[in-house]
Amino acid sequence: EDQVTQSPEALRLQEGESSSLNCSYTVSGLRGLFWYRQDPGKGPEFLFTLYSAGEEKEKERLKATLTKKESFLHITAPKPEDSATYLCAVAPGTYKYIFGTGTRLKVLA
Amino acid sequence: DGGITQSPKYLFRKEGQNVTLSCEQNLNHDAMYWYRQDPGQGLRLIYYSQIVNDFQKGDIAEGYSVSREKKESFPLTVTSAQKNPTAFYLCASSAWQYTGELFFGEGSRLTVL
Repeated sequence: EDQVTQSPEALRLQEGESSSLNCSYTVSGLRGLFWYRQDPGKGPEFLFTLYSAGEEKEKERLKATLTKKESFLHITAPKPEDSATYLCAVAPGTYKYIFGTGTRLKVLA
Repeated sequence: DGGITQSPKYLFRKEGQNVTLSCEQNLNHDAMYWYRQDPGQGLRLIYYSQIVNDFQKGDIAEGYSVSREKKESFPLTVTSAQKNPTAFYLCASSAWQYTGELFFGEGSRLTVL
């Protein structure tokens, strides 16, 4: 069964305290792995797409990496405005996406 | 600016009523999707459409219906047959040529009174 698990469920960081969010997956075939940011009451905002093991993408303080079994979203020197829920999704097939339950990140000033 | 517009943002329904959520996109995407988001659960697929006049059931289609008469529009009707309709509903679209990223609207929150 295709499955995506995100950890931790919630994370509190001090401003400037770097950390990583994990997304582990079990799928029959990986056509892509996606990271999203979701603010309360809003729709998810696309961050990154990763297609193959070893691939890395960066955007400001965020860096996403991919292995054959998991992906990490590294947050370097986070700021309070980085507080949000971060969602991971995998695409095992065309038009099919499996979402994790997300990591709620709170960055304290 | 290109994007996806959902309306209304908030909707209240009495038990036994059908309600329709609107979703319009100007990204020229062929594929459109409806997801339901509940606390503590991942997004769950209700329906998706690859092209105009065609759509497929997702994992939780019971109690919902859709239409795709125009490329830009993919409305979702929550019928009285849906037993637990209170949720946050998200519309999304993607280019059909590959399994690329989904682009989401701002969501519609439905509350049953």
